[in-house]
Amino acid sequence: GEDVEQSLFLSVREGDSSVINCTYTDSSSTYLYWYKQEPGAGLQLLTYIFSNMDMKQDQRLTVLLNKKDKHLSLRIADTQTGDSAIYFCAGGGNTGKLIFGQGTTLQVKP
Amino acid sequence: DGGITQSPKYLFRKEGQNVTLSCEQNLNHDAMYWYRQDPGQGLRLIYYSQIVNDFQKGDIAEGYSVSREKKESFPLTVTSAQKNPTAFYLCASSMGGFSNQPQHFGDGTRLSIL
Repeated sequence: GEDVEQSLFLSVREGDSSVINCTYTDSSSTYLYWYKQEPGAGLQLLTYIFSNMDMKQDQRLTVLLNKKDKHLSLRIADTQTGDSAIYFCAGGGNTGKLIFGQGTTLQVKP
Repeated sequence: DGGITQSPKYLFRKEGQNVTLSCEQNLNHDAMYWYRQDPGQGLRLIYYSQIVNDFQKGDIAEGYSVSREKKESFPLTVTSAQKNPTAFYLCASSMGGFSNQPQHFGDGTRLSIL
């Protein structure tokens, strides 16, 4: 069935770049999304990319999409302690529902 | 401000009791969703509704029920048939009912067993 997979944990130093990776199985996704979840809160939509794009940049965030390998990544430039959170990628399955990855916990050390 | 409001933030359930989680949105979105989140896991879809007076089961609907009598409201009832209800529950909404519309989330309700 449809699946979205992410690595579970990433630790970086403040000021470094963070790269969070995601792979998905359903190539019919029209959009792919990145969400951020802070402790005890809901999910905040960070950015999304249309499936016919390779890259999208939004301030410190860069999304790269490799359709051939079904690989999506989120790069955060100049990572700050406030970026510490869980990051979810999500894609549309062929049923039209969003399928979420397990989430990547980003730890930013001062 | 437009958004999604979930209440209460914390809820406790006794054995054999049904409890209802509230979700209200003022974004004028047609579609609404309920997800369950367990520690270290992604979100699992419980129920969704693409239009008023209509809803469909998600992947883990057993032990839950919903209603959609108004566009703004999509309450979730956790029934006594749900044997492991302790989790973080998230409500979301989107303009359309398909994955080409981003979903916007409330701040969640944490349900625990007494």
